[in-house]
Amino acid sequence: DVKVTQSSRYLVKRTGEKVFLECVQDMDHENMFWYRQDPGLGLRLIYFSYDVKMKEKGDIPEGYSVSREKKERFSLILESASTNQTSMYLCASSMGEVVRGYTFGSGTRLTVV
Amino acid sequence: EDQVTQSPEALRLQEGESSSLNCSYTVSGLRGLFWYRQDPGKGPEFLFTLYSAGEEKEKERLKATLTKKESFLHITAPKPEDSATYLCAVQDGGSNYKLTFGKGTLLTVNP
Repeated sequence: DVKVTQSSRYLVKRTGEKVFLECVQDMDHENMFWYRQDPGLGLRLIYFSYDVKMKEKGDIPEGYSVSREKKERFSLILESASTNQTSMYLCASSMGEVVRGYTFGSGTRLTVV
Repeated sequence: EDQVTQSPEALRLQEGESSSLNCSYTVSGLRGLFWYRQDPGKGPEFLFTLYSAGEEKEKERLKATLTKKESFLHITAPKPEDSATYLCAVQDGGSNYKLTFGKGTLLTVNP
């Protein structure tokens, strides 16, 4: 069964910490995405990558960066975590042509205290 | 800018009571419209892709339809296990990658 795996289901971090969220897919997908999901706001795109070492900003990139050194792995980095970054973070991947939409991971619930 | 609006925000049904969820959209050239199901604490799960007005897709008790301005997800004789949040997303003609999501409809089916 094809999968997108996020390294942590739950994380608690302190304000100011540098936080790494890891995502790995085993489907040889070209595209990978990071979303955050908040009640009343829905899914908002943070960053995406359409190829190794390529990245593009989404709708809310401020306070985040990403890394894609290998095709199967896409990392989201919170440079200095803040309480307003408490959220559910969802990683997704897709083929080059998004015919079946995305395949999502199970999410990481991040709490910044 | 693409816009996706889902209604209602929440819907409560009795088991067996059929209904529909709505997704209205504004895009510059629809490339695809997607429906997902999301269970609490989990990532969204793909249900359907629709590409052009008049298209329909079915899966068990779910049927998705598409017009030029909106899509409907019809739920026939729902069961409690159909309870979930249903998300709609669109891909516009100018994007190879990006989907724009609606905020979802929370469906609760009571036994």
